[in-house]
Amino acid sequence: EVHLVESGGVVAQPGGSLRLSCAASGFIFDDYAMHWVRQAPGKGLEWVCLISWDGGTSYCADSVKGRFTISRDNSKKSLYLQMNSLRVEDSGLYYCARDRAGSEWEYYFDSWGQGTLVTVSS
Amino acid sequence: EVVLTQSPATLSLSPGERATLSCRASQSVRSHLAWYQQKPAQAPRLLIYDALNRTTGVPARFRGSGSGTDFTLTISSLEPEDFAVYYCQQRSNWITFGQGTRLEIK
Repeated sequence: EVHLVESGGVVAQPGGSLRLSCAASGFIFDDYAMHWVRQAPGKGLEWVCLISWDGGTSYCADSVKGRFTISRDNSKKSLYLQMNSLRVEDSGLYYCARDRAGSEWEYYFDSWGQGTLVTVSS
Repeated sequence: EVVLTQSPATLSLSPGERATLSCRASQSVRSHLAWYQQKPAQAPRLLIYDALNRTTGVPARFRGSGSGTDFTLTISSLEPEDFAVYYCQQRSNWITFGQGTRLEIK
């Protein structure tokens, strides 16, 4: 069974930094592209970033480009999101999600973690 | 950016009834559309991808249809566990989600 467990969400100040982690199990991690998707409290979903199976390619939404960096360590079956220059509007539940297509990503998310909560507030 | 507009915002139905949820795109997304179900305090669950393909384990009562700009998720006969929020998502032009339709028990 696919299992994704996020961690690292805390209360942070505007302008601060955070690093989120996602531990994967139950599938061959380096066979899949991975994503971060976020959800503001009581709101809808917003895709954040993608990383290819080997970490060689990554893309992020314009709203976080230049501030957030996605990375992975396949030896540890882990996904990361480095969040810098945090803004109040970055607050929300951050989900780690697997791409349905495997290594050839297609931006459909077939497995999700339970999320880790980030609150940006002064 | 492709804007996805879901309607209605809230749908109140009884178990056994048929549910029809709509998702309209601001420009054509071909068939590159998915539907997710989200229950309270749970992560979203992928139901349908490429407009009409059910993910493994999704009951046959869930059916996706449409292409271009107009899409529909139909639940043929509602079960108690189907009451949730449903989101559509497109991948044709970057990635955007609709604002959701809340399916509630009448």
